[in-house]
Amino acid sequence: SQTIHQWPATLVQPVGSPLSLECTVEGTSNPNLYWYRQAAGRGLQLLFYSVGIGQISSEVPQNLSASRPQDRQFILSSKKLLLSDSGFYLCAWRTGSPGEKLFFGSGTQLSVL
Amino acid sequence: AQSVTQLDSQVPVFEEAPVELRCNYSSSVSVYLFWYVQYPNQGLQLLLKYLSGSTLVKGINGFEAEFNKSQTSFHLRKPSVHISDTAEYFCAVSENTGGFKTIFGAGTRLFVKA
Repeated sequence: SQTIHQWPATLVQPVGSPLSLECTVEGTSNPNLYWYRQAAGRGLQLLFYSVGIGQISSEVPQNLSASRPQDRQFILSSKKLLLSDSGFYLCAWRTGSPGEKLFFGSGTQLSVL
Repeated sequence: AQSVTQLDSQVPVFEEAPVELRCNYSSSVSVYLFWYVQYPNQGLQLLLKYLSGSTLVKGINGFEAEFNKSQTSFHLRKPSVHISDTAEYFCAVSENTGGFKTIFGAGTRLFVKA
């Protein structure tokens, strides 16, 4: 069966420090991968998605970047965190069909202080 | 580009009462529609989805939703809610023309009171 792993679960970082959040999927190949940020009252904001290795689409211009170095690995990064980067980050995957559901990871609560 | 509007940020309702959570979408092409639920301290899970065919779709836990193309709506309903239905509900849309994005609404927090 397919599983999605996301870590760490919580992270407290100072302003200006770098960030690396990792997500891996098991039990499937060539998944579509997604990074969302969940904020109260704003729902899930799509940040990045990837349909293949090295292919990244950015939805929101911001202080973050994403990479997909391997088929089932998706990384969210920042060189210098801002206070506004605080939030709950969710990784998700689905098959290639847009009619299929998303499978979500357990999320990372990021606090930038 | 597609967008989703959930018209109510919070919906308080008494137990055993009916509830409707509203969702409107905007897209220039045909779409697939979804409702996800997030129970307290849990991850998101799919409640139901509309792909094609009958405009009334049934999901888990007694929920159903109706697709209305002319009104670009996909409202979620349950005839009698339980305390355990307290959760946040998200409407989402994917374009079915080979697009890869799934866009979510801002969410509706359903609070069921005894």
